[in-house]
Amino acid sequence: KNEVEQSPQNLTAQEGEFITINCSYSVGISALHWLQQHPGGGIVSLFMLSSGKKKHGRLIATINIQEKHSSLHITASHPRDSAVYICAVRSGYNTDKLIFGTGTRLQVFP
Amino acid sequence: DTGVSQDPRHKITKRGQNVTFRCDPISEHNRLYWYRQTLGQGPEFLTYFQNEAQLEKSRLLSDRFSAERPKGSFSTLEIQRTEQGDSAMYLCASSLIGDTQYFGPGTRLTVL
Repeated sequence: KNEVEQSPQNLTAQEGEFITINCSYSVGISALHWLQQHPGGGIVSLFMLSSGKKKHGRLIATINIQEKHSSLHITASHPRDSAVYICAVRSGYNTDKLIFGTGTRLQVFP
Repeated sequence: DTGVSQDPRHKITKRGQNVTFRCDPISEHNRLYWYRQTLGQGPEFLTYFQNEAQLEKSRLLSDRFSAERPKGSFSTLEIQRTEQGDSAMYLCASSLIGDTQYFGPGTRLTVL
């Protein structure tokens, strides 16, 4: 079993829909990252959080440390949101190394 | 600031050849990371540096792999005697300690 699990693996939506991507982890963490990867490989960091909730534009990330679970929400989805969304955790306080989930492929259709 | 850059972007080599990749981090970042990503998978950690010191290495990093960051700025990742299983995207990232990691565009390696 992977230390970081994401669901769903694939997601399709119509433009304007509310999107939720889930991430569960089995290790103790000091921080959790949500990343976006477009075709061709470029990875962009969306959020780094260790508690609570963060919002940036139409993106919202939440984390529940007790339940070892995080969600990434996209409101009013748009075709340009189509990408792979990856959850990654920093597994301790003495390391910056990240453990990644396998990603959720999102396609938003007009 | 031009972000993290990697060179080359693509490399095709024959099995058994040696290859070297370069990563130039964001200039003020003291941490530099190497990851490997195969098709359809999330990235896997290989190694990371704080300044010129290599702080941690994955067990994935066999003795054919070596990474250096000689002056605490750019880093190189060398793979000796490449194998077909080494075909992957090699990603570099940099950060300040404990902060967000910024990723480069990656080097795609194909071993024939």
